[in-house]
Amino acid sequence: GAGVSQSPSNKVTEKGKDVELRCDPISGHTALYWYRQSLGQGLEFLIYFQGNSAPDKSGLPSDRFSAERTGGSVSTLTIQRTQQEDSAVYLCASSLGGTSTDTQYFGPGTRLTVL
Amino acid sequence: DQQVKQNSPSLSVQEGRISILNCDYTNSMFDYFLWYKKYPAEGPTFLISISSIKDKNEDGRFTVFLNKSAKHLSLHIVPSQPGDSAVYFCAASAGNNDMRFGAGTRLTVKP
Repeated sequence: GAGVSQSPSNKVTEKGKDVELRCDPISGHTALYWYRQSLGQGLEFLIYFQGNSAPDKSGLPSDRFSAERTGGSVSTLTIQRTQQEDSAVYLCASSLGGTSTDTQYFGPGTRLTVL
Repeated sequence: DQQVKQNSPSLSVQEGRISILNCDYTNSMFDYFLWYKKYPAEGPTFLISISSIKDKNEDGRFTVFLNKSAKHLSLHIVPSQPGDSAVYFCAASAGNNDMRFGAGTRLTVKP
């Protein structure tokens, strides 16, 4: 079956512009996660959705970052007024349930470059 | 706040030999640990996990060892194959959905 997909695969934007990153999880997966990986760093947790609600927004680095999930499926991560330090690979993952032991399946990521 | 650390950014081994990837953590509340493997231009894929109630978990050529007192885990791959060449991430969670990842170790297996 189809895995997690993300679009776009690459995004180059100018500092100060807004960007939207999209994630399509595996069908039937109730949990959805956003991470980012900056150069030379590990994966940094950003936000977690269970269904359409986000019980854990603790990882969002600033109020320029927001995310939503509609219909328990597609999620959009929005970064407003992008800064150069936002440049990273943004990864989305989904899991069948929402427990910590459920395997997370990752998408290929969106590489964001802020000039 | 690096709660999960992989201190070796890279490792190179000969095909057929053992690969040992190490990971240290600082949060004693972590109770579930995972290893993910990542090829270029792809997302990480789950490899193997271990619960804190165990000290070893084996799956084919892959074995994960957990030393809770030392807050250390390791992934052993034996025998190593060229197709194992990838970046390996260690991850840990404390029973919630905030999973912490290490920076990764790039493994190169030479034929």
